[in-house]
Formats: sequence, structure tokens, C-alpha cells
Amino acid sequence: DQQVKQNSPSLSVQEGRISILNCDYTNSMFDYFLWYKKYPAEGPTFLISISSIKDKNEDGRFTVFLNKSAKHLSLHIVPSQPGDSAVYFCAAHAGGTSYGKLTFGQGTILTVHP
Amino acid sequence: DGGITQSPKYLFRKEGQNVTLSCEQNLNHDAMYWYRQDPGQGLRLIYYSQIVNDFQKGDIAEGYSVSREKKESFPLTVTSAQKNPTAFYLCASSPRLTGNTEAFFGQGTRLTVV
Repeated sequence: DQQVKQNSPSLSVQEGRISILNCDYTNSMFDYFLWYKKYPAEGPTFLISISSIKDKNEDGRFTVFLNKSAKHLSLHIVPSQPGDSAVYFCAAHAGGTSYGKLTFGQGTILTVHP
Repeated sequence: DGGITQSPKYLFRKEGQNVTLSCEQNLNHDAMYWYRQDPGQGLRLIYYSQIVNDFQKGDIAEGYSVSREKKESFPLTVTSAQKNPTAFYLCASSPRLTGNTEAFFGQGTRLTVV
């Protein structure tokens, strides 16, 4: 049962344009969402997060939007740069008794072309 | 520098052998986690620990064992009972187990069964 889904395995974007990565979730108990970036043979690095009490969080070129009614979040990267090419994972955390463990999506491979 | 150190980076194991992956952190984090990544899949939680001498099974604990004798260390043993051990293993930690906080990852260990 995949509670966090990234339905697009890959995304290709031209440098300077916007990249939009999408993520859907099914568990209503999720209250904190994160995006991680991962290069091959390396550990994921934290990018940006959003709490369920917000619908938008911005950090430089990265903005995450949360639509709780649709159980959907998205990561916008503007402008996209070739160095952004990596695998992006969406992750979710449920408060209460889940003890802070994260549930990850399958990842989306982003390729930014010069 | 503070961080999470996983060793070795690459590990080869013969079928039927147990092998232990090391994870050390000097971030003074309470919680530690082990995830496994397979191609085309997200990170799946193997085990996690919120405090010394305590750990809990994650979603795919069968064939694995852990210990948490020190706050800084959370080694993972892949036993011969694990049917498909070839994967990329990631260790992570977070400052506390509940509440909104991101997990910080090590660089990973690539385990290959030969």
C-alpha cells in the first residue's frame, strides 16, 4: 500500500524554465511533508518542508505547495538549473504515535537541459 | 564537522553470510533510522530507534537486526535470512522522534551479494 506516490518517474526541463514535481498521499494522519534531493550513490539531502497548517512555503528558488483537500503537494523550482538534475523524493510524516518516521514516494528523476 | 558516517561505501557478501553495516553520528541526535533503496522505489524503513537500548521494526524488518548500545551508533546486520539483500542502504538521524523535523542522511552503503 503506497501511501505516498510520485506518479511521474521522470521530468525533463529546459534551463531557466520552471520544474514542477508532484506528490500525492493517502494517509490523512500525515501532517508534515518534506522534499529531498538525491544524487546517485549519495544520501538524500533535505530541500524544503511544509507543515499541514500551511499551504505554501518558499525558500529561494524552491516553493512547496500543499493542497490538503486533494492530498496533493508539489515542488516548484524556478528558474531550473542544470545542477538541479537529480532524483527528488517526496516524504511525509505523521504526528502522534508514528514516532517521526518518514514515508517516501518512489522519486522523480529531474533532468535540466542547458 | 557534524554528520552521519556510514561505512563501508561498498560491500560485497557471499550468499549465506551475515554482514554488518556501520552508522555513526556526532550530531547528538536521539533518533536513528535505517532505510533501504531499490531501483525505481522510494526509501523503505527497515528499523528505527528513538533512544539507546530501544528500537522498533519498520516496514521491511525481516532478515535484518539492529542494536543501539550507544547514542552515536546504530549498526545494521543483514542476515542470511534476508532473501534479496542487494540494495543501497541509508542511515539517517533526527534530533527528536516526534514533532516537525527533517531526517539527515549518511552517504549510504551499496551492498552486493555475490
